[in-house]
Amino acid sequence: EDQVTQSPEALRLQEGESSSLNCSYTVSGLRGLFWYRQDPGKGPEFLFTLYSAGEEKEKERLKATLTKKESFLHITAPKPEDSATYLCAVQSAAGGYNKLIFGAGTRLAVHP
Amino acid sequence: NAGVTQTPKFRVLKTGQSMTLLCAQDMNHEYMYWYRQDPGMGLRLIHYSVGEGTTAKGEVPDGYNVSRLKKQNFLLGLESAAPSQTSVYFCASRGSNPGQENEQFFGPGTRLTVL
Repeated sequence: EDQVTQSPEALRLQEGESSSLNCSYTVSGLRGLFWYRQDPGKGPEFLFTLYSAGEEKEKERLKATLTKKESFLHITAPKPEDSATYLCAVQSAAGGYNKLIFGAGTRLAVHP
Repeated sequence: NAGVTQTPKFRVLKTGQSMTLLCAQDMNHEYMYWYRQDPGMGLRLIHYSVGEGTTAKGEVPDGYNVSRLKKQNFLLGLESAAPSQTSVYFCASRGSNPGQENEQFFGPGTRLTVL
């Protein structure tokens, strides 16, 4: 069964304190792995898609990496505006483009 | 462009009542989705549509019905609401052109409470 587990559930950082969020997955043939950002009371907002082990994507202070079993979202020198819940999702070859399996998310709080 | 919009934003129902949630998108997307989000759990797919006039079941379809009469609209219906359907409901859409297969655009959500 396809499964996505994110850790930690919650993370508190001081402004400028770099860290990483983890997304572990088991899937029957990975088609793609996705990272979304979700602000309180809003819908998820797309950040990155990763397709194969070794691939990396960057956007401002965020960098996503992928291995055969997990993905990391590295946050470098975070600012308070990076506070949000970060969601990871996978698409399997069996499920196709229409079925995303989401993790429960990591709530990130960055304090000044 | 408004993107994906959902109405209503909030709703409180009594057990057994019915209601319809409306999702509209102005991006001419073929694919539309309904998810529910519960505390401590990931978003779960309820139903989806691959085009006007089509619908398909997702991971948790029981107790819900959907319709896609117009390309831009996707309706989610609860015929007889139950407390277990208390949740935040999100609609999403995506395009079908090459390169658009993977990015789903989400609406702001509808918070539903069933008493």
